[in-house]
Amino acid sequence: EIVMTQSPATLSVSPGERATLSCGASQSLSTNLAWYQQKPGQAPRLLIYGASTRATGIPARFSGSGSGTEFTLTISSLQSEDFAVYHCQQYNTWPWTFGQGTKVEIK
Amino acid sequence: EVQLVESGGGLVQPGGSLRLSCAASGFLFDSYWMHWVRQAPGQGLVWISRIRSDGGSTSYADSVKGRFTISRDNAKETVYLQMNSLRAEDTAVYFCARDPSPYFDILTGYYDQWGQGTLVTVSS
Repeated sequence: EIVMTQSPATLSVSPGERATLSCGASQSLSTNLAWYQQKPGQAPRLLIYGASTRATGIPARFSGSGSGTEFTLTISSLQSEDFAVYHCQQYNTWPWTFGQGTKVEIK
Repeated sequence: EVQLVESGGGLVQPGGSLRLSCAASGFLFDSYWMHWVRQAPGQGLVWISRIRSDGGSTSYADSVKGRFTISRDNAKETVYLQMNSLRAEDTAVYFCARDPSPYFDILTGYYDQWGQGTLVTVSS
């Protein structure tokens, strides 16, 4: 199965700053990659699919890029509600697999 | 408003069984593939099982194959996960999730709606 590797494990960022999260795949995914946000005790929330398409209702400060094996989620100006864990997920090759997550915490 | 509400979690001894339920509302339930995804404490998300909109196709992760059974009742708009021969490593929050493709036999691959999860703890 495809192994997804997220880095860093924890990212400390001040409100208003930019956050850049990375996700790497052990095999090429084309652009079959999604990003989710998860807050403590809550369900994951779809942010991005197709590597770069924002899901319905997702603010424009969230953007995704990449293809093949390297992907990036950028949060242009962190708001208080953005501090959470972010997961990437590949859906190019069955079984779909997730990364271990990146925690974005307040610096 | 789309809602997915899981129930049925709890504490069970190793070797025991539980049945999880996920009640759906706010969308045409019988048009969508549904999945179960779990998250062990402090760990990442792991896909467990999926079922086609008509219930005619199912699939399982190797870690649960032969022990877990997914099913659905479209009249009750509910998807189930029967978990038998539970092990300590099955301890996790179990989420149901929807694939957004409304087309029969076509999976989009990602999950646009999730339930809030139900905790399963396997311990003696």
